[in-house]
Amino acid sequence: EIVLTQSPGTLSLSPGERATLSCRASQSINSNYLAWYQQKPGQAPRLLIYGASSRATGIPDRFSGSGSGTDFTLTISRLEPEDFAVYLCQQYGSSPRTFGQGTKVEIK
Amino acid sequence: QVQLVQSGAEVKKPGASVKVSCKASQYNFSTYRIHWMRQAPGQRLEWMGRINGGNGGATYSQKFQGRVTITRDTSATTAYMDLTSLTSEDTAVYYCARSLGNNYIDFWGQGSMVTVSS
Repeated sequence: EIVLTQSPGTLSLSPGERATLSCRASQSINSNYLAWYQQKPGQAPRLLIYGASSRATGIPDRFSGSGSGTDFTLTISRLEPEDFAVYLCQQYGSSPRTFGQGTKVEIK
Repeated sequence: QVQLVQSGAEVKKPGASVKVSCKASQYNFSTYRIHWMRQAPGQRLEWMGRINGGNGGATYSQKFQGRVTITRDTSATTAYMDLTSLTSEDTAVYYCARSLGNNYIDFWGQGSMVTVSS
């Protein structure tokens, strides 16, 4: 199965700053079928990005995804207070679908 | 709007089974797949398996093969996940979620806490 490794584990930033999150796969992801989710404590994940770079419906344009093959990036251009959360990547190009361990974006 | 409403928290003894339900509404149940995942404390999310809402075909992760059964009732627009031979390592929040075919998961249920304790 494909192992996804996210880095860093924790990102300490201030509102207004730029966040860059990485997701690296143990092998190439078919058709760049990589999604990003936001998860807040006690809540289910929310879809942000699919197909590595397509924003889901209703997601602000400060969220963007990029990358291909084994290396993917989620960028939040200017952090808003509601963006402090855990971010997960998931690949759906191969079975079983697998998740990264998450990056926590916390207020500095 | 789309809703996936899961059953409530469960406490089970080791060796028992648990059945979690996922009631879907506000979309065409037969068009989508329902996936089941779990998140144990401090662990990453794990995909357990999925079912096709239309024909009921199910696929399972090898890790859970033989211990998990996913079913659905189209008239009730509800999917179910049955996990047997529970151990403390099955203590987790269990989520259902939907995808259009083999595509990305776009919506999740609220999660159901299952605690396995003697």
